[in-house]
This record gives sequence, C-alpha cells and structure tokens, in this order.
Amino acid sequence: GAVVSQHPSRVICKSGTSVKIECRSLDFQATTMFWYRQFPKQSLMLMATSNEGSKATYEQGVEKDKFLINHASLTLSTLTVTSAHPEDSSFYICSAWGDRARHFGNGTRLTVT
Amino acid sequence: QKEVEQDPGPLSVPEGAIVSLNCTYSNSAFQYFMWYRQYSRKGPELLMYTYSSGNKEDGRFTAQVDKSSKYISLFIRDSQPSDSATYLCAMSVQAGGTSYGKLTFGQGTILTVHP
Repeated sequence: GAVVSQHPSRVICKSGTSVKIECRSLDFQATTMFWYRQFPKQSLMLMATSNEGSKATYEQGVEKDKFLINHASLTLSTLTVTSAHPEDSSFYICSAWGDRARHFGNGTRLTVT
Repeated sequence: QKEVEQDPGPLSVPEGAIVSLNCTYSNSAFQYFMWYRQYSRKGPELLMYTYSSGNKEDGRFTAQVDKSSKYISLFIRDSQPSDSATYLCAMSVQAGGTSYGKLTFGQGTILTVHP
C-alpha cells in the first residue's frame, strides 16, 4: 500500500530558529500534498495544499511567510516553520493521495522552547 | 456552525461490545466519506472509504452513509482493546489528489475498549 514518510518525528528548537519538516511519498508519485496542524485533543486543521512545481495554496489565517512550503518533486514536500515561537508548538502532519486513497505521515511533534 | 460535527467523547466500552461512532455534516456537496483511526502521537490511518450513500463492510467495521440526513456512522463489532484510539470522520467534495479533494475532518472521538 501507499506509504507516506515524514521526518523528523519529533523536534525541539529554540524560539527564533527555523525548523524543516520533510514529507515523502515512498512508493507513489504525489502531485499534491496537504499539510495539517493538530492541537491536543483536537481535529486536523488544513494549513496548506502543496502542488508540485507551483506555489502552495494556504488556508485563511495561515501565515505564508511563517510556514514555507516547497514541493520540488513528485515525491517530496517540505514545510519550514520560520522564526518559530512557543505558540507554533504543535503536531504537524502531511498527507498525499495515492493508491486510490488519502494517506498520512506519522506526524512531527514540534516543541519550541 | 462547523461543517462537520463529531462528538469527541470520550467513549468507554467493554471488550466485545458494539461501538457506534457518528458524524453529521452541513455541506450537501460532500460525496466522499472516510473514517480514520489515529493512535496517540501517530498520523491517521484510513479505515473505511465510501462514496455517496450506502453501507460498506470490512471485517469488524461497517460504514454507513445517509446523504439525505447528512449523517454517517462507523460500527465496530466485537471491539478489542487494540481498537482504543481516536476515530476521525472526514469528507470531501471530490476524490483524488488535487486541491478539490480537500478533506474536512470531524473533531474525533476518543474510544477506549477495556478488557
């Protein structure tokens, strides 16, 4: 079945630094990848839709300059949290369409100290 | 009003019980309906995928969609402790990997099956 690999699974960084999260489709090509954010005991909130070779589409209220998304190839999308602050601490999950269904990575737990 | 409403629970049942999980929605354009299971600190795992109204069965899991009532359900038979997780309903207007396949999630129901 389709596998989406996300790295790192957990990262701790200092306030003001930037963090990059990678999302790879391992056995299929993903023209579109989706990035979500999830707070404890809450649902997944779509942040942006990433399209290979073009600019990402951000949901209302999501800061484009803070959450940089790059989708340079059909198997890799990256999310960079720039100048991270404690309020950016959250669980970030990527998703891609493959094998006739939507599959998710295992998420990245970001803690900003 | 949220587009998708799901009772967050928590729901606690004994092993072997039948579990019923439900979601209601307001957008009549939704045509694709999914149920995901999410274990703690993991990404969601697809359980069931249904197009339009009707029932779909897979092992101990049965998904039902009633578009006229804008109501979907997931039934788990003979529940096991390993079923303890958060269950998320999700739906979209279109399928596929384009931006039109954007998923809208329910809040998730926390389920605990105790031995």
